[in-house]
Order: sequence, then structure tokens, then C-alpha cells
Amino acid sequence: GAGVSQSPSNKVTEKGKDVELRCDPISGHTALYWYRQRLGQGLEFLIYFQGNSAPDKSGLPSDRFSAERTGESVSTLTIQRTQQEDSAVYLCASGLVIPYEQYFGPGTRLTVT
Amino acid sequence: AQSVTQPDIHITVSEGASLELRCNYSYGATPYLFWYVQSPGQGLQLLLKYFSGDTLVQGIKGFEAEFKRSQSSFNLRKPSVHWSDAAEYFCAVGPPNFGNEKLTFGTGTRLTIIP
Repeated sequence: GAGVSQSPSNKVTEKGKDVELRCDPISGHTALYWYRQRLGQGLEFLIYFQGNSAPDKSGLPSDRFSAERTGESVSTLTIQRTQQEDSAVYLCASGLVIPYEQYFGPGTRLTVT
Repeated sequence: AQSVTQPDIHITVSEGASLELRCNYSYGATPYLFWYVQSPGQGLQLLLKYFSGDTLVQGIKGFEAEFKRSQSSFNLRKPSVHWSDAAEYFCAVGPPNFGNEKLTFGTGTRLTIIP
């Protein structure tokens, strides 16, 4: 079946602009996660959804970052007034609570110029 | 706070040779433990996971990992690497309960395979 998909695959934006990153999880997966991967670093947790509620937003780095999810489907991560330090690969993963496995999408590479 | 350390940033191994990638963690309790692989331009793929029980776990692609509580380690091994194993490998830990699999990742080890 289809895996996790993310769009766009690449995004170049000017500093100060807003961007929206999209994640389409695997059908039926109730859990959805966003991570950020900066160059040469590990993945950094941003936010977790269970259904369309977000019980854990602890990783969002600032109030410029927000995310929403429609039901148990698509999720959008929005970054307002982008800064150069936002440049990274943003990875989305989906899964089921049991058996505690996350399936990752290919990521969106964001470059802020 | 929980943390994961992968002390080797880059490892080069000859094809056919054995491999061991190191992972140490710091956590309040024994966490759930994972190894993921990331090939260029692709998302992460789960290689194996440890929840409890037998401390030697088998994964996909011929990989295995051993959990050592006394050393807070979860090292990944493969007896004989293939050129297709060249990738970035990430160790991760998660809370030892179901409900929020918020993973903490190490910084990764890049594996290069030479002929």
C-alpha cells in the first residue's frame, strides 16, 4: 500500500515569508508526528497528533510554528515569518499506538534564503 | 532529560566485513529502543526495536542489536555488510509505554562501504 507522502519535496522561500508543509499519513494510522532534521543533526521532535488532537506540542520551537490535522488524515505544518534557522528537512511519520512503530515520509527540504 | 549518543559520526567498512554501530542512552527508566536507517533522499526505515525480554533482537536486512542495561547501550551489528547498507543510521529511544511514541534520536552514524 501507499506509504507516508509529503509535499512539496523541496521548498525555497525568502526570509519572512510563510510556508505550509503537508503530510499525508498511511490510511488508518491514528498517530502522526512531525520532526525536524537539521544538517548534521539527529531528528528533533516537533509535535504529535492522536487523531486530530495534539496532546504533545512540546517540541514546537516558537509560536511561529503551528500544525493542524484533519481527522485521522492529512496534517499541515505552518511556519510563519520564516527565518534562516528554520532551514531543515521536515519529516512526518504516522503509526498506530500499538505496536509502537512509526513510518516516515521522505521529508520536505526547506531552504530559507 | 533523555538523550541518545552515537559516538561515531562516520564509519567506513569494507564490503563483507562485520559492522558494529554504537548507541548509548540516558533515560530515567529503561526506554524502548530503536534503530532506523535513512538512505539518501528517503525517509527513515525501522530496522529493529526492543521493548523487553530477550536482549538480542533481530531486525530486517540481517541486522541485530543487543541491549545491555548495565552499559545503557543498544549497539547495532551485522556480520557481513553489503554495498547497499551504505546509509545513515539513527538510534532512538522512546518512553516505555504506549500512547505517545515521542522518540528522541541520536545524531546519526554515516556508514560508507568500500569495495
